[in-house]
Amino acid sequence: GAGVSQSPRYKVTKRGQDVALRCDPISGHVSLYWYRQALGQGPEFLTYFNYEAQQDKSGLPNDRFSAERPEGSISTLTIQRTEQRDSAMYRCASSLNRGNTEAFFGQGTRLTVV
Amino acid sequence: AQRVTQPEKLLSVFKGAPVELKCNYSYSGSPELFWYVQYSRQRLQLLLRHISRESIKGFTADLNKGETSFHLKKPFAQEEDSAMYYCALRTGNQFYFGTGTSLTVIP
Repeated sequence: GAGVSQSPRYKVTKRGQDVALRCDPISGHVSLYWYRQALGQGPEFLTYFNYEAQQDKSGLPNDRFSAERPEGSISTLTIQRTEQRDSAMYRCASSLNRGNTEAFFGQGTRLTVV
Repeated sequence: AQRVTQPEKLLSVFKGAPVELKCNYSYSGSPELFWYVQYSRQRLQLLLRHISRESIKGFTADLNKGETSFHLKKPFAQEEDSAMYYCALRTGNQFYFGTGTSLTVIP
């Protein structure tokens, strides 16, 4: 596609429910990143993929958070048993992973846990 | 460890005045630094990167390794520059972002 696409744009869920956030990166981009951004803060790293391999998941806050990218393209970030503190903007970005290349961001998914 | 610091959360300047958004970083290797901007209701997008030594929309940023800084500057601010600005450091395949500076240009 022309840019990084994330869905849904907005998600409201009840506490305790599971949610799945989807990211469709730019075609051909090797690297894919997930970030979480709380109000008034900068994007906070969650996890990173190189092709289908999850290279770094050190930013995932706890074991309720997981991510996958099974075919090296679309990625899903799953949050199980959501809590109110999970409410945030979840941003996905992709890059060519070649030289000094930039990260291109999607519009983000605004998650609200009520 | 805090790798990118943007000390100002809010910055207001008058139209036509110079503007400088501060960014300091901590990294022992050779840094790759970027400025990202987010206009109202738009996605986060790259403004400029230090390696390119470019001027985008009148903005420039010089990497100062001695001061570990990458401040963003523009000599004459415009109303359309009002946005959220994030400084980012790339190390390997990770990007680390500062907390952002909200710039308001007063007409």
